[in-house]
Amino acid sequence: AQKVTQAQTEISVVEKEDVTLDCVYETRDTTYYLFWYKQPPSGELVFLIRRNSFDEQNEISGRYSWNFQKSTSSFNFTITASQVVDSAVYFCALSVTGGTYKYIFGTGTRLKVLA
Amino acid sequence: DVKVTQSSRYLVKRTGEKVFLECVQDMDHENMFWYRQDPGLGLRLIYFSYDVKMKEKGDIPEGYSVSREKKERFSLILESASTNQTSMYLCASSPSTRGKNIQYFGAGTRLSVL
Repeated sequence: AQKVTQAQTEISVVEKEDVTLDCVYETRDTTYYLFWYKQPPSGELVFLIRRNSFDEQNEISGRYSWNFQKSTSSFNFTITASQVVDSAVYFCALSVTGGTYKYIFGTGTRLKVLA
Repeated sequence: DVKVTQSSRYLVKRTGEKVFLECVQDMDHENMFWYRQDPGLGLRLIYFSYDVKMKEKGDIPEGYSVSREKKERFSLILESASTNQTSMYLCASSPSTRGKNIQYFGAGTRLSVL
């Protein structure tokens, strides 16, 4: 069975602090994809990144970076120098190539960035 | 840009009413999905459709049905709304490629059943 765990329910930081959101996944499949989405107060989930199971390179996009480690089944997301606009709920999701098209979502982490 | 549009942002209905939630996408995607989002539970899949008139149950289909008569439109139907169906409903679409497909989401419909 597949599972995604986001153990941090809510995190509060002060603007300009760095923050890491944790994501731990479980799957027996060797080929799979991991995703991060952002859900601002407006409600729409916004796609941030997709990573496949064969690519363990870390990725950086501006203030965002992602650390994928198969050895610990983790796909963590770091925001550097956080800003108030980063306040949102962040979801990690897993998709496997066999079977259906479905995502398995974590329960989300609410990030509050205080001015 | 992919656009997924849900017809209502907020809905208030009474117990026992038949409720229709509509979703339209403009990117010719084969797949469409309905999720509900509840605090502490994340997103749970209700139904998805991989082609016109084709559908499959997700994790929590009880009390819901769906309709996909046209490729761009996917409707979620609550046959007889109940208070435990008060939730945020999110629609998504994706191209057909398995596994690696990115799902694009609408803004959600917050439904209250009184």
